[in-house]
Amino acid sequence: GEDVEQSLFLSVREGDSSVINCTYTDSSSTYLYWYKQEPGAGLQLLTYIFSNMDMKQDQRLTVLLNKKDKHLSLRIADTQTGDSAIYFCAESPFRNTPLVFGKGTRLSVIA
Amino acid sequence: DTGVSQDPRHKITKRGQNVTFRCDPISEHNRLYWYRQTLGQGPEFLTYFQNEAQLEKSRLLSDRFSAERPKGSFSTLEIQRTEQGDSAMYLCASSPGTSGGTDTQYFGPGTRLTVL
Repeated sequence: GEDVEQSLFLSVREGDSSVINCTYTDSSSTYLYWYKQEPGAGLQLLTYIFSNMDMKQDQRLTVLLNKKDKHLSLRIADTQTGDSAIYFCAESPFRNTPLVFGKGTRLSVIA
Repeated sequence: DTGVSQDPRHKITKRGQNVTFRCDPISEHNRLYWYRQTLGQGPEFLTYFQNEAQLEKSRLLSDRFSAERPKGSFSTLEIQRTEQGDSAMYLCASSPGTSGGTDTQYFGPGTRLTVL
């Protein structure tokens, strides 16, 4: 079955870059997403990437996809205290289908 | 449009009681999803709709759970005879559900259920 794995915690200093990693098992995963969740809140879409792409950049966010290793990463440049949250990797094999989420990576930014 | 809304935001109930949650999707979004999130976990899929048709139900959705989307707009999720294990955040998401593009899902703020 589908499975998405993430490391649970990451701590970085303000101004440094953060790299959050994710691995997935379903080779047919076509759409891969990163969501951010702040305490007590819903999920905020950060970015997404298609499986036919290797990289996507959006302002401070860079997503890298290694399809061979089924590895996805999210890099946040110049990390700020407001970036402290839980980051979820999610995948779906087709459009318009439910997402499969990892357990989330809690990012702590130290001032 | 301000996004997906959910009501109530918090619900405390006693074991055995019935509860109902409401989700209002982004206007003109055809697809509506329900997920459940427990502490320390990622969201898990429960069920989803294309307009008023319920397309799929997860095995997590026991017979105590029922969801409807009667007019293809808002949706309700009802839990009958609540159990302590039902305590969780219930998240609703919507997407355009049309051809083309990513069909990205946008989430509401969630309803946090506590069963005493």
